[in-house]
Amino acid sequence: EPEVTQTPSHQVTQMGQEVILRCVPISNHLYFYWYRQILGQKVEFLVSFYNNEISEKSEIFDDQFSVERPDGSNFTLKIRSTKLEDSAMYFCASSEMGSPNYGYTFGSGTRLTVV
Amino acid sequence: GENVEQHPSTLSVQEGDSAVIKCTYSDSASNYFPWYKQELGKGPQLIIDIRSNVGEKKDQRIAVTLNKTAKHFSLHITETQPEDSAVYFCAASIGYYGQNFVFGPGTRLSVLP
Repeated sequence: EPEVTQTPSHQVTQMGQEVILRCVPISNHLYFYWYRQILGQKVEFLVSFYNNEISEKSEIFDDQFSVERPDGSNFTLKIRSTKLEDSAMYFCASSEMGSPNYGYTFGSGTRLTVV
Repeated sequence: GENVEQHPSTLSVQEGDSAVIKCTYSDSASNYFPWYKQELGKGPQLIIDIRSNVGEKKDQRIAVTLNKTAKHFSLHITETQPEDSAVYFCAASIGYYGQNFVFGPGTRLSVLP
C-alpha cells in the first residue's frame, strides 16, 4: 500500500536554530499538508499546498514557517528560529484531489524536540 | 472557526464488548467527518468516514452515525479486540475545499482481555 514517508523520525535542535522536516508524498498525489500534534493534545492543521503554492493555512502557520516542494518528490516544512513550544510531532499528509477522502494519507510523523 | 469536541477522553472496555465515542462540531458548513486511529509512534490512520448527506455507515465491526441537525457524530466499535486499543480521533472538514480538518482531542481506548 502506498505510504507517505517522513524523515527524520526524530530531530533534536537547539532553540533558535532552523530545522527542515522532509516528506515524500504518495507519487500520484497532488495536494500536500502539514499538521502538528503537541504531546498529549489534538492534531492541528498547519498548511495545505497545491500547484506549488499555499492554498490554505491556519493561524499557527506564521512567518516562522515555510513550505516548499523543491523537486518532484519532496515536500518540506521549514521552521526558522525554533522555540521550545515548537516541540511536537509533525505529520505530513497527501491526497489525490482537493476534496477529502481522495486517498488522504498521513505519514508516521517527525518528532521535533527543541532544547 | 470550527470546534470539535470529543467524549470520553479515556474508555476501557472488556474484550468483546462495544465501545462508543461521541463528537460534536460547531460549523454547519462542515460536510465530511473522518475517524482516525492512532497507534503509538504512528500517524493517524483513517478507519471510517461519513459525508453529511448520509446518516449512517458501517464497515464490518465499525460504524459511524451522523446527526447533522444536532451537529454530532459517533463511532461504534462492536466485538472489541485487544488490537483495537489505540487513540481515536474524530475530525470535521474545514477550508474552502473542505480538504483540511479540525480534529477532536482524542479518546484513548483500552480493550482489556
